[in-house]
Amino acid sequence: EDKVVQSPLSLVVHEGDTVTLNCSYEVTNFRSLLWYKQEKKAPTFLFMLTSSGIEKKSGRLSSILDKKELFSILNITATQTGDSAIYLCAVESNYQLIWGAGTKLIIKP
Amino acid sequence: EAQVTQNPRYLITVTGKKLTVTCSQNMNHEYMSWYRQDPGLGLRQIYYSMNVEVTDKGDVPEGYKVSRKEKRNFPLILESPSPNQTSLYFCASSSLDRVTQPQHFGDGTRLSIL
Repeated sequence: EDKVVQSPLSLVVHEGDTVTLNCSYEVTNFRSLLWYKQEKKAPTFLFMLTSSGIEKKSGRLSSILDKKELFSILNITATQTGDSAIYLCAVESNYQLIWGAGTKLIIKP
Repeated sequence: EAQVTQNPRYLITVTGKKLTVTCSQNMNHEYMSWYRQDPGLGLRQIYYSMNVEVTDKGDVPEGYKVSRKEKRNFPLILESPSPNQTSLYFCASSSLDRVTQPQHFGDGTRLSIL
């Protein structure tokens, strides 16, 4: 059965800290791995990863995929209170997205 | 503006009273999907459609129906809602060429079935 597992499920850090969120997967016919950020409403797209070892970067956020070990990490440096959200990982397989349960990140001032 | 529009945004109703949640997209996307989101479970796919008149079950289709008569619309129908269908629902759309294009989500519909 296809599955996506995120860890940790929740994380509380102080502003300025660096965090690493993990996403491991077991799916057939892997096409891509996506990271989304969800605040109060719909998930908003962060990154799409299809190739191993190529880091995607956007400001203080970066992500990388390891297709051999079947995982991805999302790094956030110099965290701010606006980074507080649920971070969702999803893997595309056979025209479906399989979602992890998410990591709830809380940034304390 | 490219968008996915869901209605209603909030609904409180009673067990057994049929309801429909509408979803419309203006991006000419082939692929549309419905998800429900429950605490600790992430998003679970209910149904998806790869084009007009083509629909398939996702992971949790029981108790739901969909139709895709036009490319832009993908309504979710609960024929006889039950309390375990209380949840936050999202509609999403994308091009079939999803290697380069992520899914676009609607703002969500919060359903409470009493």
